[in-house]
Amino acid sequence: EDQVTQSPEALRLQEGESSSLNCSYTVSGLRGLFWYRQDPGKGPEFLFTLYSAGEEKEKERLKATLTKKESFLHITAPKPEDSATYLCAVYNNNDMRFGAGTRLTVKP
Amino acid sequence: NAGVTQTPKFQVLKTGQSMTLQCAQDMNHEYMSWYRQDPGMGLRLIHYSVGAGITDQGEVPNGYNVSRSTTEDFPLRLLSAAPSQTSVYFCASRDRQGNNYGYTFGSGTRLTVV
Repeated sequence: EDQVTQSPEALRLQEGESSSLNCSYTVSGLRGLFWYRQDPGKGPEFLFTLYSAGEEKEKERLKATLTKKESFLHITAPKPEDSATYLCAVYNNNDMRFGAGTRLTVKP
Repeated sequence: NAGVTQTPKFQVLKTGQSMTLQCAQDMNHEYMSWYRQDPGMGLRLIHYSVGAGITDQGEVPNGYNVSRSTTEDFPLRLLSAAPSQTSVYFCASRDRQGNNYGYTFGSGTRLTVV
């Protein structure tokens, strides 16, 4: 069965303190790994899709990378507005399987 | 564009009642899905549709029905509400070619079953 595990469950950073979020997965026939951001009381918002090992994508202070078993979301010099829950998901055929998310808090 | 619109935003049901959660999208997306989100468990797929007239079960389909008579609408029906169905429900849509863009999600319906 496809599985997606995110760690840590929660992460508290000081503004400017860089760190990484992890998403490990087991899936037969990966057709894409997705990262989403979710703010409280709202639906997830799409960030990135990665397809193959070695691929990287960047958006502002965020960079997502992919290996054969896991993906990392690197946050460089985060700001308080980066506080949110970050979800990763793997896509296999018609099913997108989500991890439980990492709740990120960035303190000023 | 409005994107994905879900109604209602909040609902309280008594055990055994039925109701329909509405979902509409105006992006002409072929794929639509319903997820439920529970603390510590992430988003779990209830039902999905790859086009009008086509639906299929996801990971947690029991107690829910769906239909897709048009491209735009994908309602979720709770047949006989149970406290275990207390959750936040999200509708999402994406284009057939939209692997690059992931899903567009609605703002959610928070359902409480008492």
